[in-house]
Amino acid sequence: NAGVTQTPKFQVLKTGQSMTLQCAQDMNHEYMSWYRQDPGMGLRLIHYSVGAGITDQGEVPNGYNVSRSTTEDFPLRLLSAAPSQTSVYFCASSYSQTGANVLTFGAGSRLTVL
Amino acid sequence: KNEVEQSPQNLTAQEGEFITINCSYSVGISALHWLQQHPGGGIVSLFMLSSGKKKHGRLIATINIQEKHSSLHITASHPRDSAVYICAATSGGGADGLTFGKGTHLIIQP
Repeated sequence: NAGVTQTPKFQVLKTGQSMTLQCAQDMNHEYMSWYRQDPGMGLRLIHYSVGAGITDQGEVPNGYNVSRSTTEDFPLRLLSAAPSQTSVYFCASSYSQTGANVLTFGAGSRLTVL
Repeated sequence: KNEVEQSPQNLTAQEGEFITINCSYSVGISALHWLQQHPGGGIVSLFMLSSGKKKHGRLIATINIQEKHSSLHITASHPRDSAVYICAATSGGGADGLTFGKGTHLIIQP
């Protein structure tokens, strides 16, 4: 089983550029989420989805868009990258939306915005 | 909003020592997660518990609901245990219910 697959692992962008971080899972999980991890701070939720066609905002959604057209895929789009979006991004999934299910994380995507 | 505090922030120990990492939270929860992150690596879920104690190999996690406190113990620590350990608490229900601690950076020296 592949689990949660994130691409790319590393990306450098210039301010104002756009890009998409890909996330795919093969476990038929309903719940998927995107987090960012910054030095000295805990993981912070950007957007999440409780099923295909359903998305919602987390704690730090500004500057990011998501969509969930299939159960497997949950891409994160940066529309106009800013240096403040330099971070490590993690995608995660679990069986259902409640926190009482084990989360499976992707390997992370390190993004640098110049 | 739940506040999750971990201590210590950094811990260096010698191989073989018994390790304890603490996690406290401010609001009643339905589950607490312990995660492990190796340097430059991904995040792996170690435990999810809502009461009592769980054990997996040399790792033991305990939770005291009344005191709003959880501990992660590592017995016979080994350099490969060097990692960041993160606790996360949820009040249950609602996909945005997970609050993460800032992590404990553990180094085990040979």
